Amino acid sequence: QKEVEQNSGPLSVPEGAIASLNCTYSDRGSQSFFWYRQYSGKSPELIMFIYSNGDKEDGRFTAQLNKASQYVSLLIRDSQPSDSATYLCAVRSGGGADGLTFGKGTHLIIQP
Amino acid sequence: DAGVIQSPRHEVTEMGQEVTLRCKPISGHNSLFWYRQTMMRGLELLIYFNNNVPIDDSGMPEDRFSAKMPNASFSTLKIQPSEPRDSAVYFCASRNPGNYGYTFGSGTRLTVV
Repeated sequence: QKEVEQNSGPLSVPEGAIASLNCTYSDRGSQSFFWYRQYSGKSPELIMFIYSNGDKEDGRFTAQLNKASQYVSLLIRDSQPSDSATYLCAVRSGGGADGLTFGKGTHLIIQP
Repeated sequence: DAGVIQSPRHEVTEMGQEVTLRCKPISGHNSLFWYRQTMMRGLELLIYFNNNVPIDDSGMPEDRFSAKMPNASFSTLKIQPSEPRDSAVYFCASRNPGNYGYTFGSGTRLTVV
């Protein structure tokens, strides 16, 4: 059973601070890792993906991957109230399996 | 690009009735995925297609659920007969093999009473 674990939160962060979201996964064969943002009542939208160990930066967002520890994180710098949403971690296994396995998400609240 | 298009946006039906959800993937995307989202279980993969062929349907909960993709631009997810526990938001997503990103549709909120 492939599992992706996230702290459900809510995680409350002051505006302008760094928000740190974490995710662990069970399948060592996993190859690609995704962060989606989902506003209430809306569909998930892709923020970033990462497939190599280390950091990947895109604007205010940085994804970090540590395959040895089976750990993925997302940092949001200069947090804005508009960043308040549920953040979903998703993992794609190798071996030709194309579907993503999602965590249940972390609810992030940015306090003005 | 119109994105992934799902219909209907909302569906309320009585237990025992047949429900059909529809999805049009992004043109050129050759992989299509059906997901179900509930508060208790989160987002669950039901089935996915590559080049219109079902590849993995291990997530389909019961024989009451079936999915088809008759051509590259259309897919359906059918529940017959529907039950109250099928109430959820059903998302369709598509992906281009040359791109890591999966794009989701707006979803269909299904309520079975």
